[in-house]
Amino acid sequence: DAGVTQSPTHLIKTRGQQVTLRCSPKSGHDTVSWYQQALGQGPQFIFQYYEEEERQRGNFPDRFSGHQFPNYSSELNVNALLLGDSALYLCASSLRRGRGTEAFFGQGTRLTVV
Amino acid sequence: GNSVTQMEGPVTLSEEAFLTINCTYTATGYPSLFWYVQYPGEGLQLLLKATKADDKGSNKGFEATYRKETTSFHLEKGSVQVSDSAVYFCALSVDTGFQKLVFGTGTRLLVSP
Repeated sequence: DAGVTQSPTHLIKTRGQQVTLRCSPKSGHDTVSWYQQALGQGPQFIFQYYEEEERQRGNFPDRFSGHQFPNYSSELNVNALLLGDSALYLCASSLRRGRGTEAFFGQGTRLTVV
Repeated sequence: GNSVTQMEGPVTLSEEAFLTINCTYTATGYPSLFWYVQYPGEGLQLLLKATKADDKGSNKGFEATYRKETTSFHLEKGSVQVSDSAVYFCALSVDTGFQKLVFGTGTRLLVSP
């Protein structure tokens, strides 16, 4: 089992550009969540997808959008990049059932905006 | 709202020392509690969890007990190893049908030989 895989691992973009990050969930998982982890901070919840729909959203602007495909993989898109968007972006997959269900995290995509 | 407060680091210990990392929470509803660990250059791994009051989660020698009366979930280990050096995150989720994790800011642990 490959676990949660994210691509690319590192990315450098210029302010104002757009970026797409990709995530393949752990085999059998149907729910994908995205988190932003700034340097020295804990991860912050961006949004969550289940059955190809956004189910929950954190306190992030509309510049952050996403998509989930029929095979449960997911994309995170960020438009009009700001310097403050530089962070580690983590994808987590889980099953949508059960109290305290475990979320499995990928290694993340390190985004640097210059 | 929901939030998690962890003790600030870094926590610096010698090998075989006793470890405690404090974690307290505020939650609307009845949360599940987690400890995640992040090794350098890696994503987060679940270390242990507890889903109801007085439950004790344990794994790899680490333990934490869900204390509803003190809204705490402190992480402990009796004898740390150099390989335990990492950043530890306390987190909660409130069951709304979809899990959303709320993390603390993390505590860096440095263990020297």
